[in-house]
Amino acid sequence: DAKTTQPPSMDCAEGRAANLPCNHSTISGNEYVYWYRQIHSQGPQYIIHGLKNNETNEMASLIITEDRKSSTLILPHATLRDTAVYYCIVRVRSGGSNYKLTFGKGTLLTVNP
Amino acid sequence: GAVVSQHPSWVICKSGTSVKIECRSLDFQATTMFWYRQFPKQSLMLMATSNEGSKATYEQGVEKDKFLINHASLTLSTLTVTSAHPEDSSFYICSAIGLAGAPRGSNEQYFGPGTRLTVT
Repeated sequence: DAKTTQPPSMDCAEGRAANLPCNHSTISGNEYVYWYRQIHSQGPQYIIHGLKNNETNEMASLIITEDRKSSTLILPHATLRDTAVYYCIVRVRSGGSNYKLTFGKGTLLTVNP
Repeated sequence: GAVVSQHPSWVICKSGTSVKIECRSLDFQATTMFWYRQFPKQSLMLMATSNEGSKATYEQGVEKDKFLINHASLTLSTLTVTSAHPEDSSFYICSAIGLAGAPRGSNEQYFGPGTRLTVT
């Protein structure tokens, strides 16, 4: 299973863009990059995922480098409610059609007023 | 809205008793559900994979006789913590792999809101 490396914490000013990096240098060709976040005492919330093209949805943008060894999650206008632990995960396959997610320590993003 | 629910959201029990936690997929079917455990200030740790109609697969170090998992239908999996002790106090989270009809399509994982277990 490919592993990911994220900074343990980051700060961002409210209203500014938050750029969260992730390294996944051992990613395989058929593995996707997923981002989840976890607000305190809640279950993880899906944000976005991608294979090799950049992706954007209503929550965030995902920029994946051409060699796929790293990616950046961008929250364009961070709010206080975006304060959470953000997990970058490379999706692994665990037999048949089962997809097991292995969570690392993630990045604690603190959005400051 | 949530696509996976858990019940109860929190529970306090006495040491030595058993506690059952339910995980339901709403409006979609899930042949596979996962159970995670999260201790304070730590990340989620996968405990077991629950497959409908078959025995659960436990991760290394997780006692299958202590954490009983039943996946009796395509929308319900239960985790029973037997003879609970204070060290079992944790945040238990389930997730479900959706089949066709799930919000983001099939083979995507949807998480529940978690259950806080406190054993006194």
